[in-house]
Amino acid sequence: DAGITQSPRHKVTETGTPVTLRCHQTENHRYMYWYRQDPGHGLRLIHYSYGVKDTDKGEVSDGYSVSRSKTEDFLLTLESATSSQTSVYFCAISASPASEADTQYFGPGTRLTVL
Amino acid sequence: DQQVKQNSPSLSVQEGRISILNCDYTNSMFDYFLWYKKYPAEGPTFLISISSIKDKNEDGRFTVFLNKSAKHLSLHIVPSQPGDSAVYFCAASSGNTGKLIFGQGTTLQVKP
Repeated sequence: DAGITQSPRHKVTETGTPVTLRCHQTENHRYMYWYRQDPGHGLRLIHYSYGVKDTDKGEVSDGYSVSRSKTEDFLLTLESATSSQTSVYFCAISASPASEADTQYFGPGTRLTVL
Repeated sequence: DQQVKQNSPSLSVQEGRISILNCDYTNSMFDYFLWYKKYPAEGPTFLISISSIKDKNEDGRFTVFLNKSAKHLSLHIVPSQPGDSAVYFCAASSGNTGKLIFGQGTTLQVKP
């Protein structure tokens, strides 16, 4: 299994509070991704990073920001959490963009509940 | 607008029979397709993939078929086993972006 950890694994917070989720990898992979999984939507890309300090938006980036100051860590921040951000969040890593030579490997997920 | 669609939310098959999971896409620029399997409370795990230059890829019990003219791919599992019971997601990407677009998922139940 790829060395990916996510913290916290579960979190309950209140509307309006800031929340930061952490993804940590030990594979030294260049690419890192944040997805959210919701019923009826599958997984949707929030933000991704293609190197230290290099990030870009995904499909559902509104209300989220990310930072990557080190290869191994990719942080997802909800500046002011809303109930619509209640979801399961997955981090993924890959050595290169999706191709036959490589694919994305996922972490165990963080279940976030915003009350 | 859902670019990758899995129109069957669930599928139930008997152990030993074939499972066929389907996926449709709308973006003709997609050039790489993948299937992931997900168990409850775990992250998705990569299962099998196919490039748009191929129409079939096989790995053990798993085969993925791609029909580009119909913008359709399918995953065949033969024979199906109870341990295959999980949610299956198809995903697609284009170019070298690394961005994956996922379908909604199909829950497969394999009955002993």
